[in-house]
Parts: sequence; structure tokens; C-alpha cells
Amino acid sequence: SQQGEEDPQALSIQEGENATMNCSYKTSINNLQWYRQNSGRGLVHLILIRSNEREKHSGRLRVTLDTSKKSSSLLITASRAADTASYFCATCQGGSEKLVFGKGTKLTVNP
Amino acid sequence: DVKVTQSSRYLVKRTGEKVFLECVQDMDHENMFWYRQDPGLGLRLIYFSYDVKMKEKGDIPEGYSVSREKKERFSLILESASTNQTSMYLCASSIQAANIRISNEKLFFGSGTQLSVL
Repeated sequence: SQQGEEDPQALSIQEGENATMNCSYKTSINNLQWYRQNSGRGLVHLILIRSNEREKHSGRLRVTLDTSKKSSSLLITASRAADTASYFCATCQGGSEKLVFGKGTKLTVNP
Repeated sequence: DVKVTQSSRYLVKRTGEKVFLECVQDMDHENMFWYRQDPGLGLRLIYFSYDVKMKEKGDIPEGYSVSREKKERFSLILESASTNQTSMYLCASSIQAANIRISNEKLFFGSGTQLSVL
């Protein structure tokens, strides 16, 4: 059962531009998390935003959460070629014990 | 630095073989997870464990079993490997918050095992 769904599936931008990825989900959540995966490797946790938070920052990352729309966005500012990776949102429904991942957005940052 | 180690980066097995995928974490985490990742399907949870000798089924447990004899080690077992189990397998761990079985805290992932079943 897929909870989070990322949009777009793929995104290609130039170095220095901002990248925005969106995640929609279906039911109430405890928190929403964003992860990054370099090609063929494990996932790395980027940021966690709780259901009572609306915005969170970490370096060049900005995450927003709109629980009324059941959506979140991840903004990467001033992108670099090294940001090229797949980005996943993951959610845990209220009352559930499982962290469910979306299918990811593949970001390509061209030098 | 925290570490989740998967025993093999690449593995090639034949149909019908019994396959063991090993995962070890050095963070004293209570929770451990096994996911598989396939193109177009994202990550899907196979099994998870919130304590030694405890296990719970995820979304796709069929054809798999797990073992957690020690806190730091969580093994995924394919009793009789089939070609549709060719996939990237990812192990992860997390701390467990007080008073809930699974904390929903961030996961730490291993580098993955690319398994090919021929």
C-alpha cells in the first residue's frame, strides 16, 4: 500500500537553480520524512517534519507540510551537480507502525 | 558514525537455492527493517522487528522469512529463491521511542544488496 506519492517522477535542472519536489499522501500521519538515494546505494535521511509543524529548514533544504491538503514539498536551493539523486518521501500513518515510501523523484542537476 | 552493514553488495544465486542476507547495525537500535526496491515500485517493506526474537510482516512477506537472534543482527531468508525475487534489498534500523513499539524516527540504511536469481 503506497502512502506517499512524489511528483514529478523526474526533474532535470541546471546547476544553481532551485529544485522543488512534491509529495502527497492519503491518510493522517505522525510525521513525514524525506530521504535521498544516490544511484545503486542505500537511502540517507534528510529531514523529518512532524504533523504539528509547517516548515523546516536544514542547510539548502526547505520542507513544508500542509496537513489540510495532505501534501509536502522539498525545496533544494542553489542546486549542485552533487545533488543528483533520487528523493523519496516516507510517511507513517496514525496508528500504524510502518514507514511507507513513495516511488521517488529522480533529480538530475546538470553542470 | 552510525553504521548499518549488509554482508554482500552483489549476490548471484540460482532458482531454488536458500539465500541468507545479513544485516548488522552498531547503534544499539531496537528496530530493524528489510525492504526491497524495484524500478517503478519504490521501496516495499518485507519484514520488520522491534525487539530480539520479535518479527512482524510488512507488505510483501510471501517467500521470505527473518531471524533476529541478537539485537544487532537481522537476517532475511529466501527459503527457495525465485527469479521474481531478483531485486535490491535494503536493510534499515531506527531507535525506538518510549511507549510505542515503532518510533517513526528516522531510518539508517545499509548500502543495499543487489540480488540476482538466475
